Amino acid sequence: AQSVTQPDIHITVSEGASLELRCNYSYGATPYLFWYVQSPGQGLQLLLKYFSGDTLVQGIKGFEAEFKRSQSSFNLRKPSVHWSDAAEYFCAGGYKLSFGAGTTVTVRA
Amino acid sequence: EADIYQTPRYLVIGTGKKITLECSQTMGHDKMYWYQQDPGMELHLIHYSYGVNSTEKGDLSSESTVSRIRTEHFPLTLESARPSHTSQYLCASSPIAGAGNEQFFGPGTRLTVL
Repeated sequence: AQSVTQPDIHITVSEGASLELRCNYSYGATPYLFWYVQSPGQGLQLLLKYFSGDTLVQGIKGFEAEFKRSQSSFNLRKPSVHWSDAAEYFCAGGYKLSFGAGTTVTVRA
Repeated sequence: EADIYQTPRYLVIGTGKKITLECSQTMGHDKMYWYQQDPGMELHLIHYSYGVNSTEKGDLSSESTVSRIRTEHFPLTLESARPSHTSQYLCASSPIAGAGNEQFFGPGTRLTVL
């Protein structure tokens, strides 16, 4: 079955430090992959998406993600986090858009 | 900016009541979805629709029902609410009826059944 997994349940990072969130996928063909962010009590907002082409994808809010077929990964990165980046992050992919379990990001001052 | 609306945003109701959660989108999207999400947990697809008069059950079994009489409207109904239905319900829509499947989400309805 097509699926995505997020190995990290919770990550704490200092403000100004870099952030990397992991996502692994299991698909036979070229996957369609997304990263969403959810602030408390809110819906999901699309950060970025990968369908094909350049494997380094730029998104909103200074985020980027790199698709690595050899590692079956689509990790999300941000060079310098802001306190407002504290949220839940979901990786998703596949024809029926399977979601990972999410990673909670806490930003400490 | 995506225009997908959910009402009410918050609902507290007693056991046994019938409730309808509203979802509307103004983007003309064919596909619409309902997800259930417990606090801090992943999303579970409970219903989806490919278009008018099309409804399908999702991966997670749910006692709720849905209807799709108009393209823009995808309400979810619980005939008799129970405390186990307490959760957040997220509605989404998609402009692509095939591969790609980028979804736009509403703000969610947080339901509490006492």
